[in-house]
Amino acid sequence: EIIMTQSPATLSVSPGEGATLSCRASHRVGKYLAWYQHKPGQAPRLLIYDASTRAAGVPARFSGSGSETEFSLTISSLQSEDFAVYYCQQFLTWPPKLGQGTRVEIK
Amino acid sequence: QVQLVQSGPELKKPGASVKVSCKASGYTFTSHAINWLRQAPGQGLEWMGWINTNTGEPTYVQDFTGRFVFSLDTSVTTAYLHINNLKAEDSAVYYCARDFPRHYVSDPWGQGTLVTVSS
Repeated sequence: EIIMTQSPATLSVSPGEGATLSCRASHRVGKYLAWYQHKPGQAPRLLIYDASTRAAGVPARFSGSGSETEFSLTISSLQSEDFAVYYCQQFLTWPPKLGQGTRVEIK
Repeated sequence: QVQLVQSGPELKKPGASVKVSCKASGYTFTSHAINWLRQAPGQGLEWMGWINTNTGEPTYVQDFTGRFVFSLDTSVTTAYLHINNLKAEDSAVYYCARDFPRHYVSDPWGQGTLVTVSS
């Protein structure tokens, strides 16, 4: 079973600033990595898959990078609607595990 | 547009059963599996398993074998999650999602169904 570890647990950012979230896999997953955004009371939303491909309708300020065991999600200039919890997930092997999440909060 | 609409919140007593529905629309239902995930209070998202919408064959994460059952009614493009012998620790928001654009990737998600188990 591949374990996903995200850091930091919480990131405090001012609107307009950039943010970088990290995700580490316990074993190599190639580029089989997705990122989701989850706001309270809403359905989670797919942002990135294949480590760096934005899902349909996702703004260009969201970008993903990395491969194998080290991945990052960068939000170039945080908007008010971007404050949420972000999860990474590997989809190379069964079971597909998600990280514990990074909460991006308003500073 | 592609949409998954889930049934409403449920309040159940320990030992009871619950059925959560997930109605899909806007795409060919049998072209993509349905994934099931949940979020317990104060916890992160957790995979439960998935169901093949062509064959009806379910696959469960180890922690969700036995009391959790995935099923389908393709005639109404709906997936179901049955939970039997409910326990307090089953209290969570349960989500269905289309398996897209890669296997084990979820997009879009249903709005979630809150299941509360309390005596």
